[in-house]
Amino acid sequence: GENVEQHPSTLSVQEGDSAVIKCTYSDSASNYFPWYKQELGKRPQLIIDIRSNVGEKKDQRIAVTLNKTAKHFSLHITETQPEDSAVYFCAAPTTGYSSASKIIFGSGTRLSIRP
Amino acid sequence: DAGVIQSPRHEVTEMGQEVTLRCKPISGHDYLFWYRQTMMRGLELLIYFNNNVPIDDSGMPEDRFSAKMPNASFSTLKIQPSEPRDSAVYFCATRMGRGEAFFGQGTRLTVV
Repeated sequence: GENVEQHPSTLSVQEGDSAVIKCTYSDSASNYFPWYKQELGKRPQLIIDIRSNVGEKKDQRIAVTLNKTAKHFSLHITETQPEDSAVYFCAAPTTGYSSASKIIFGSGTRLSIRP
Repeated sequence: DAGVIQSPRHEVTEMGQEVTLRCKPISGHDYLFWYRQTMMRGLELLIYFNNNVPIDDSGMPEDRFSAKMPNASFSTLKIQPSEPRDSAVYFCATRMGRGEAFFGQGTRLTVV
């Protein structure tokens, strides 16, 4: 069935260093790959997304790369700051009955930034 | 637009009671998703609707769970009877077409 796998489950990096989170997906028809950030006690919110017609997208310190052949995509955060501490989720839509599309989330990565 | 609105924000109920969670989607969004979040299982998709029609309810854990979307402005998730293992944060999320999904603030359910 449809599946999105995310690694690692926890990640601790020194402030100023980079963090990388990786996801793989199973539905080859998926064409949109968002990343969400969830701070403690709050709702998940989109931070960056990429569509299958590009291989990389950047927004300031955040970038996402996509390898459609291998069916994996990654989130890169450079120059990490304390406010980057949160849980990050990748997601992929899967096409189901009558072409409607549901969103499956990865299991999440708890990122901690050490001062 | 005020975003996706969920109510109540917190619910504490006794085992065996009926619980109803409510969601008002962003106007114009044609997809509505109900997720359950726990430490052990992460964000689980329970059910989703497209144009008010339930498309996939395979994530609904048991017959005790039911969801409806009587119109484009309102959806409910009902648990009857509730059990302690249903304790979780329940999120409603909506989106237009294949784009970004917007989450409500969630309902924290505690069943004692």
